[in-house]
Amino acid sequence: GQSLEQPSEVTAVEGAIVQINCTYQTSGFYGLSWYQQHDGGAPTFLSYNGLDGLEETGRFSSFLSRSDSYGYLLLQELQMKDSASYFCAAPTGRRALTFGSGTRLQVQP
Amino acid sequence: SQTIHQWPATLVQPVGSPLSLECTVEGTSNPNLYWYRQAAGRGLQLLFYSVGIGQISSEVPQNLSASRPQDRQFILSSKKLLLSDSGFYLCAWTPETHSGNTIYFGEGSWLTVV
Repeated sequence: GQSLEQPSEVTAVEGAIVQINCTYQTSGFYGLSWYQQHDGGAPTFLSYNGLDGLEETGRFSSFLSRSDSYGYLLLQELQMKDSASYFCAAPTGRRALTFGSGTRLQVQP
Repeated sequence: SQTIHQWPATLVQPVGSPLSLECTVEGTSNPNLYWYRQAAGRGLQLLFYSVGIGQISSEVPQNLSASRPQDRQFILSSKKLLLSDSGFYLCAWTPETHSGNTIYFGEGSWLTVV
């Protein structure tokens, strides 16, 4: 099975950079994804890493190190609208995704 | 383009009453379909997934059940709700041949059992 761990809360100020970490334990590994969920809404896809290294999508980047079973989501130039919960997720190999417990990001002015 | 809809968006049900949440996907064929549940302030728990009509896999033993009567329709049901069934229920889909990395969620259904 899959187990993903991430911090429960992170606080940062507008314009800053924040990193949300995710460590995982898996019986097989097929990549790490990141999702954003605003309060009351559904999660939406942000980024995916299938191989080691950094993937950049605008202000968001995601990094993966398979040898360390570790990844992170990096958010730059934080905006108030980035306040949300962020989930790392990994496929179970049975066509479903297992999600971490989520990190609540609070962006302060 | 593909769309996913689920309903109702919000419902309040008494303990012991039945439940039916419905989800449909448009614009694709033979999708993989999922039901997730999210307790308040918590992560997403996979409840059921389906790779085809009538094919349901259950991830967590509970008093819920799922059915897939048509290719793009997925239904979550319960005969008798428990207080612990309260939560945010999310239907989701992935393409038939997806690599397991991107999943698309419906708008969600808030269930409060009283």
